[in-house]
Amino acid sequence: AQSVAQPEDQVNVAEGNPLTVKCTYSVSGNPYLFWYVQYPNRGLQFLLKYITGDNLVKGSYGFEAEFNKSQTSFHLKKPSALVSDSALYFCAVRDMGYALNFGKGTSLLVTP
Amino acid sequence: EAQVTQNPRYLITVTGKKLTVTCSQNMNHEYMSWYRQDPGLGLRQIYYSMNVEVTDKGDVPEGYKVSRKEKRNFPLILESPSPNQTSLYFCASSRRGVDNQPQHFGDGTRLSIL
Repeated sequence: AQSVAQPEDQVNVAEGNPLTVKCTYSVSGNPYLFWYVQYPNRGLQFLLKYITGDNLVKGSYGFEAEFNKSQTSFHLKKPSALVSDSALYFCAVRDMGYALNFGKGTSLLVTP
Repeated sequence: EAQVTQNPRYLITVTGKKLTVTCSQNMNHEYMSWYRQDPGLGLRQIYYSMNVEVTDKGDVPEGYKVSRKEKRNFPLILESPSPNQTSLYFCASSRRGVDNQPQHFGDGTRLSIL
C-alpha cells in the first residue's frame, strides 16, 4: 500500500529563517505526492503536488517541495518563515484509486 | 465561490441517537470522500464515492453509512453512534481523471458522542 511518514510531530523555527517539514514515502510505482496545510478550525488546504517532472515543485504561499527519488523523500520547504505559517502540515500520497493516504501531520510553530 | 460545505460544524449528542452530517460541493466533482481526523493518527478515509450511486469503503468504515443520490451531495450517516466515533470529520471532493487534481476539503465537523 502507498504510505507516507512524517518523522517530526513538531517543528519550531524563528521568523525569517528557512523551514523544512520532512516527509518520506513508500509506494509501488510512480508516486503522486501532496502537501496540505490545516489552520485552526479549518479544513485542509492544498499547497502543492508532485506528479512527474521537475524535482522542485513550487506551490502556494511561497512553499516549495523537493522530490528525491533515491531518498524516497518529499520535504516541504520555505526560504523565510512567517509567523502566519504556523499550522498543521500534512503530507499525503494518492492511493491506487483517488484516496489520499495521509501522514500523521507535523505542527509548525514559527516564533517572532 | 468553489467550496465544500459541511453541516453541522459542531455536534454533541448521545450514544445510539442516529445522526447525519451533510456534505455538499458546488464544483461538479465526481469524486467525494469522508475522512476522520484523530490526534496522532492523521486523516483516515471512511467512505468514498467515484460518482452518483457508486460508493465504497475506505480504511475505517465500521459504524458509518453513506449515500450518493446526487452528484453534489454525500451525507455521512451514523445509525447508532458510539463514543469511539467522537472525532473531527472532513468531507472532500475532486475531479476524476488523469491530471491528479487536488482534493478540496470542507471546514470539518466536530462530533462528540457522549
